[in-house]
Amino acid sequence: GEDVEQSLFLSVREGDSSVINCTYTDSSSTYLYWYKQEPGAGLQLLTYIFSNMDMKQDQRLTVLLNKKDKHLSLRIADTQTGDSAIYFCAETYSSASKIIFGSGTRLSIRP
Amino acid sequence: GAVVSQHPSWVICKSGTSVKIECRSLDFQATTMFWYRQFPKQSLMLMATSNEGSKATYEQGVEKDKFLINHASLTLSTLTVTSAHPEDSSFYICSARPREENTEAFFGQGTRLTVV
Repeated sequence: GEDVEQSLFLSVREGDSSVINCTYTDSSSTYLYWYKQEPGAGLQLLTYIFSNMDMKQDQRLTVLLNKKDKHLSLRIADTQTGDSAIYFCAETYSSASKIIFGSGTRLSIRP
Repeated sequence: GAVVSQHPSWVICKSGTSVKIECRSLDFQATTMFWYRQFPKQSLMLMATSNEGSKATYEQGVEKDKFLINHASLTLSTLTVTSAHPEDSSFYICSARPREENTEAFFGQGTRLTVV
């Protein structure tokens, strides 16, 4: 079945880069997403990548996809205190399919 | 980007009563809407997939008679928690997808339900 796994916590120093990793099991995944959730709030789509891409960059965010290893990562450059949140990796097969979420990685920023 | 509105944002109800949560896509038509449940410090668990004009498809372990889903139009889906109990207290989030292919899913801001 489908499964998406992430580490639960990550702590980085302000100004450093954060790298959040994710692995998934469904090789038919077509869309892979990164969502951000701040306390008590809904989900904000940060970025997504199609399975036929290896990398996508959007300002401070870089997504890397290793389809062979089913590994997805999100790199946040110059991490700021406002980046503190829970980051969810998610995947889906098609636009009509359900989205499967990872457990979420809680990113904390230290001065 | 597209907007999905959930109402109410939070609700407190007495045990045994029913609560209805609305999910609206404000500027697009959503053939499919999804309902998720999130416990504190946990991930989102899909409860059901709702297709306009047909019965919802529930995930394993989700009681369809307990969580009634209605998707009467292309812009509105409702989740009714019937005979709520304290263990139903949770954060409920809906998601809607536009009809077009290759589009992202948009999430509502969530509804925090507290049953006392």
